[in-house]
Amino acid sequence: GAVVSQHPSWVICKSGTSVKIECRSLDFQATTMFWYRQFPKQSLMLMATSNEGSKATYEQGVEKDKFLINHASLTLSTLTVTSAHPEDSSFYICSASERRGGRQETQYFGPGTRLLVL
Amino acid sequence: AQTVTQSQPEMSVQEAETVTLSCTYDTSESDYYLFWYKQPPSRQMILVIRQEAYKQQNATENRFSVNFQKAAKSFSLKISDSQLGDAAMYFCACQTLNDYKLSFGAGTTVTVRA
Repeated sequence: GAVVSQHPSWVICKSGTSVKIECRSLDFQATTMFWYRQFPKQSLMLMATSNEGSKATYEQGVEKDKFLINHASLTLSTLTVTSAHPEDSSFYICSASERRGGRQETQYFGPGTRLLVL
Repeated sequence: AQTVTQSQPEMSVQEAETVTLSCTYDTSESDYYLFWYKQPPSRQMILVIRQEAYKQQNATENRFSVNFQKAAKSFSLKISDSQLGDAAMYFCACQTLNDYKLSFGAGTTVTVRA
């Protein structure tokens, strides 16, 4: 149980284009999903928190117009990198958790998406 | 806000031996969870172990166990009978129950020698 998928796993795009990354909880309903960014050999940096049916909450320094997050259902959240530039190249990871008994349960992570912007 | 500190960038252990990874954290919350996640070269984050702060008993999962010292805000991970598959980067994380965000440490890279 507690499987989270991400698609695509790898994407290369030209500068100026937009890229959409999907995060799905396969065997549970994810009331909350989180999006992280990770540079090589560094820790995970939280970008935003996404609750189903409401607007995402972005961390300080993360441009909400640049990184559009949608959490339209209890099993799917999407991150769209708009007008991507080479500095957006990174490893993007999502996590998902469900609410049980009034508490948010453990975050389970997707396998990540490597984005390379040329 | 909480901070998590992992002071060991790298650790090396002989196969079948034991290694302990240190982690300290700081939070003003009274109720929180602590985690160890493993990230192998595939970069998939894998949950290793979870500890609820209100529980005094240390969590264990097979060869993985923690030493949770709440007063000292310390949460170390012990890997017993180390296996080659344990080689990975290990992250300590703290999650408070007001916003459920995870704060990660910088990570410790574990190398297992055959």
